Amino acid sequence: DIQMTQSPSSLSASVGDRVTITCRASQSISRYLNWYQQEPGKPPKLLIYAASSLQSGVPSRFSGSGSGTDFTLTISSLQPEDFTTYYCQQSYNSPPDTFGQGTRLEIK
Amino acid sequence: QITLKESGPTLVKPTQTLTLTCTFSGFSLSTSGVGVGWIRQPPGKALEWLALIYWDDDKRYSPSLKSRLTITKDTSKNQVVLTMTNVDPVDTATYYCAHRQSLIFAMDVWGKGTTVTVSS
Repeated sequence: DIQMTQSPSSLSASVGDRVTITCRASQSISRYLNWYQQEPGKPPKLLIYAASSLQSGVPSRFSGSGSGTDFTLTISSLQPEDFTTYYCQQSYNSPPDTFGQGTRLEIK
Repeated sequence: QITLKESGPTLVKPTQTLTLTCTFSGFSLSTSGVGVGWIRQPPGKALEWLALIYWDDDKRYSPSLKSRLTITKDTSKNQVVLTMTNVDPVDTATYYCAHRQSLIFAMDVWGKGTTVTVSS
């Protein structure tokens, strides 16, 4: 299985900050990388697919980049509703479509 | 508008078989490229991908759980069923089903999830 490693596991930031979350694959996955946001008690929500394509309805402050093994999710100006948990997922080598372990974004 | 809803028992005893149903609307599982997958999340832990079924009945399973999982579809009822045999307390989790869009290789719409506890 392809392993997905997110860093950091948790991150403290303030409203208005620019933050970056990293996801590294154990082998090349081209651009088959998705990002999800999950609020407590809710299902994940797709933010970014194919490494950098913004899902419909997602604010433009979210962006993704990368290819091969290294990927990033950037939030350009944090809003109060952004303080929650984010997961990356590879869909290159299925099954399984492996998820990362998650990054919890907390208010400083 | 695509919606999915999971249903099944909230409590299952160890060694029993768990059967979960995903009932969906807004799309057809006979349309080329469409899939429905199952993902679970133990309390306080990360997401774990379980299984996926495509419009053409192609089925994919997590290698670590393959021997215990079966995924099927009933296109006429707009349902996908996941069965898991020989459950253990470690299978306690919230189970989600989700629509997989092959054009984007991602789960773009998720159900709200159903919580299953495995305990004697």
